Amino acid sequence: QVQLVQSGAEVKKPGASVKVSCKASGYTFASYDINWVRQATGQGLEWMGWMNPNSGNTGYAQKFQGRVTMTRNTSISTAYMELSSLRSEDTAVYYCVRMYYSNYGYYYYYMDVWGKGTTVTVSS
Amino acid sequence: DIQMTQSPSSLSASVGDRVTITCRASQSISSYLNWYQQKPGKPPKLLVYAASSLQSGVPSRFSGSGSGTDFTLTISGLQPEDFATYYCQQSYSTPYMYTFGQGTNLEIK
Repeated sequence: QVQLVQSGAEVKKPGASVKVSCKASGYTFASYDINWVRQATGQGLEWMGWMNPNSGNTGYAQKFQGRVTMTRNTSISTAYMELSSLRSEDTAVYYCVRMYYSNYGYYYYYMDVWGKGTTVTVSS
Repeated sequence: DIQMTQSPSSLSASVGDRVTITCRASQSISSYLNWYQQKPGKPPKLLVYAASSLQSGVPSRFSGSGSGTDFTLTISGLQPEDFATYYCQQSYSTPYMYTFGQGTNLEIK
């Protein structure tokens, strides 16, 4: 079945970087964008950005511009999200998500498959 | 940037009730609106896409409507498993920027 398997929990010190992986299976990895969404404890969902696995093109939320990098390795169907200059406010669960689409004359995009999430804790 | 505002932020209801959650966009987004359900400790689950299309496997008691700036998610005949947090999300912005609403927590009365 279609699934996204994320790497394990991370604990980082302020100022460090973290790199989370997301391995896709059950579908053609290059066919659908991978997005990253995070959620701090007790808070809502925050969209971080997208990556096209075919081209490597990316787009980031303004809030994360300059601190986030999304990449991929198509040979192993894996996407990566690296966040640098970590601060305590970056403590959250990070989800990778497949962005599917339907064509009704226009393309409608929606997040249909989610990874289980990776907990990143930033603490001194 | 397009802002998404949900109301109410929290809602108490009983099993069997009909509930409606509203999502308003800060500008017209046509029908580029999705709804998700999230239970504690789990990732969100897609319920409705393109404002009114039910995702495969989602019970028919869920329905979405609206276009432009105002959208609703309706649950007809609440079931115990429906108590969760619901989020709307727009997929209109180009270049892509998929903003979420702040969420609506649906609790048991």
